[in-house]
Order: sequence, then C-alpha cells, then structure tokens
Amino acid sequence: QKEVEQNSGPLSVPEGAIASLNCTYSDRVSQSFFWYRQYSGKSPELIMSIYSNGDKEDGRFTAQLNKASQYVSLLIRDSQPSDSATYLCAGKTSYDKVIFGPGTSLSVIP
Amino acid sequence: DTAVSQTPKYLVTQMGNDKSIKCEQNLGHDTMYWYKQDSKKFLKIMFSYNNKELIINETVPNRFSPKSPDKAHLNLHINSLELGDSAVYFCASSLKQGAGEKLFFGSGTQLSVL
Repeated sequence: QKEVEQNSGPLSVPEGAIASLNCTYSDRVSQSFFWYRQYSGKSPELIMSIYSNGDKEDGRFTAQLNKASQYVSLLIRDSQPSDSATYLCAGKTSYDKVIFGPGTSLSVIP
Repeated sequence: DTAVSQTPKYLVTQMGNDKSIKCEQNLGHDTMYWYKQDSKKFLKIMFSYNNKELIINETVPNRFSPKSPDKAHLNLHINSLELGDSAVYFCASSLKQGAGEKLFFGSGTQLSVL
C-alpha cells in the first residue's frame, strides 16, 4: 500500500456545487495531515491542515479526518472556476517526513 | 521579497552533463527540503536538512548531492544527468508549528534532459 493515496481524477463539478476530495493513508503516516493546492505550472500552497479526528472549517473549505478509517477528505463548498487545480493530500510520518499523495485534479465548470 | 527562491527556473541540458540548482529562504526557517515532481505530478521527497544537517536522504541516486552552506541555503548538484532526471524540482522550507509542519515552496526548476 502506498503511504498516501488519492484518486487522480479528473474530478469535474459545476460551479456552485460541493467538491469532495478524498485521501487514504497507511500506518506509516500517522501524524499531521495537510491539503495543498497546486495550480498548473505553479508551486503547491497549503490550504488546510488537520491534526485530530473530526472536522475543521476555514471559509469554503472543510477538512475531515477519521484516524480509525485512515481517511482524510477536503470539501469545497460553492466551488468556483478559480478552485480548478490539483489538490495534494499529505501526511507526516513519525520521522518528520511529509509524504504527498499523487494529487487529484479538480475542474470546476462555469 | 520572495520567501523561498530557487534558480534557475528552467534548465535544459544534455545527458551526461553536471548541473546545479540553488535555493535560498529568507523566512528564518531551520528545515529545508528538495522535492521532485514527475510528469504525473507526483511530488516525492528527496532530501531534508535541519540547520545544515542532513536529516532525510531518500533512495536517491548518488549522482544527486545536496549541500547546505548555512541554514538559509540548500543547493542541489546533479552529476551525469540522465533522461529520467527530467522533472520539476521544488525547494521548500518549514518552521515546525506544534504537530504541524507548513511547507513553503519555491517556484520550482523545470529540468529537461535531452
């Protein structure tokens, strides 16, 4: 099992809809979890981090962590065309290493 | 001022050549990284330095040699370049914040080996 896994997509949603991005992780990744957004040709930027079970909300973004199921998700409400990007799920190992998933490409259709 | 800057932005070279990528951060962070992003967008860690000391060294060929003259700089030298080295290389830095670790990325170096 890869350490961090995501569906590569592309995921297409209409403007205004909720985009749901999912990520699973292995036993090696057990600490902090992150969602990075990467626009085409640009560098990744952190949009959410989550450390404990439950939901964490920041504006239109909600991160959800379920450690029992080894599952992290990101919900984007009221999706906008500007949200079209690749979303990278990442987790930190006990060796202080941040491991990235392969990314999910999101396309928001006007 | 750019927080994490790396040069050059583009690097086109022939197989067998040796090249270097430079990275500097002005954030005062202790930890710096090199990541490689392949054509499928998979971002893979290569090296991590904490205050000039090598912390993480993934299974990267010996042709790749990082050097950190001080905690604000982490350079990457690549010997005998191969076609498979073509990728985007990202430098990053971080300041640990409790259990979290926000990475600040440079703008990337697109390396093309012909």
